[in-house]
Amino acid sequence: DAGVIQSPRHEVTEMGQEVTLRCKPISGHNSLFWYRQTMMRGLELLIYFNNNVPIDDSGMPEDRFSAKMPNASFSTLKIQPSEPRDSAVYFCASSLRAWDNQPQHFGDGTRLSIL
Amino acid sequence: AQSVTQPDIHITVSEGASLELRCNYSYGATPYLFWYVQSPGQGLQLLLKYFSGDTLVQGIKGFEAEFKRSQSSFNLRKPSVHWSDAAEYFCAVFNAGNMLTFGGGTRLMVKP
Repeated sequence: DAGVIQSPRHEVTEMGQEVTLRCKPISGHNSLFWYRQTMMRGLELLIYFNNNVPIDDSGMPEDRFSAKMPNASFSTLKIQPSEPRDSAVYFCASSLRAWDNQPQHFGDGTRLSIL
Repeated sequence: AQSVTQPDIHITVSEGASLELRCNYSYGATPYLFWYVQSPGQGLQLLLKYFSGDTLVQGIKGFEAEFKRSQSSFNLRKPSVHWSDAAEYFCAVFNAGNMLTFGGGTRLMVKP
């Protein structure tokens, strides 16, 4: 079975540009999570969705960050405008259900570099 | 609020030696605990989980972990390390709000 699929794997862009990261969760999974990983702060949860509805976005750093999940098989994380401090690896994860502690399955991440 | 501490940032062991990675958590209720492994350039892969019951849980790749409530610990062990085990290991605790809180990670290096 296909796991969580993220694209692109790598993104290099100049500051001020819009960046869109994409995620396809595992089919049948109802919860989707976006994480950011940096050396300084480790793994941080940015936002998660349950049945395509954003449940908790308290980890989103600021208004420049937005996430959507238009359907059960696709989500985007957008940064506009991007800044060098946004450089990190962004992971998407999905799980079967949100309410009984189902393990999260992670994608391979998008390594983002903002110049 | 819940938190997870992995006291060792780096650990180096010889191939064939035993391994123990430490994890301490802080959580008010019964914790749901996980260990994940991250190989370079890859996402996180679930090694094992503890929800309830037997405090010694078996995972994939020959790993096991023991939940000790009195010590608020969930240490990961492997009797004999292989070179392919070199990676970063993350302990995580799961709360009722469906939020995973990760420790800072322990980078394992394996000497030949």
